[in-house]
Amino acid sequence: DAGVTQSPTHLIKTRGQQVTLRCSPKSGHDTVSWYQQALGQGPQFIFQYYEEEERQRGNFPDRFSGHQFPNYSSELNVNALLLGDSALYLCASSLEAAETQYFGPGTRLLVL
Amino acid sequence: AQSVTQLGSHVSVSEGALVLLRCNYSSSVPPYLFWYVQYPNQGLQLLLKYTSAATLVKGINGFEAEFKKSETSFHLTKPSAHMSDAAEYFCAVSAFISGGYNKLIFGAGTRLAVHP
Repeated sequence: DAGVTQSPTHLIKTRGQQVTLRCSPKSGHDTVSWYQQALGQGPQFIFQYYEEEERQRGNFPDRFSGHQFPNYSSELNVNALLLGDSALYLCASSLEAAETQYFGPGTRLLVL
Repeated sequence: AQSVTQLGSHVSVSEGALVLLRCNYSSSVPPYLFWYVQYPNQGLQLLLKYTSAATLVKGINGFEAEFKKSETSFHLTKPSAHMSDAAEYFCAVSAFISGGYNKLIFGAGTRLAVHP
């Protein structure tokens, strides 16, 4: 049974560029949440997708957007990258309204 | 609003010694609480969770945690540390948002070092 997968594992971008990160949820899960983990900090909630709609987002600017596909996979897009966007981006999946989220290995983004 | 405070950003123990990682939460509603572990350059792995059943929760790798409502605490313990326990540990509370959906609010983490 495959767990949560994310791609790519590492990414280097320059300021002002745009980036797309991808996530496939654990088999049977229909809800995907995205978190940003800056170096030395705990993960911060970005947003959550269910039934292809964003149903809640954290305190992140509109430069951060996402999408969920009919197969429940998801993308996180970040526009106009800033140095401060350098972080580990974690995807977590769960069953709708279930309390437990399972995390993928993350994508480490470095913005130069 | 819900929040989590982890006391001690770094904890160092000897191999075979007791591990105690502290977590206090704030929640206006009965919380769901979690401990996750993160090994270097990896994602988060669920260690254990409290979801209003038994207050003493057993998890993987010999870890357990006790929910104490009166103290708003959910401390993580392991009787005997192993070198492989060296990692970053995160306590989290599940915040129910509109419609009953959930997001996780994490503490800042505690880095556990185990020395011979």
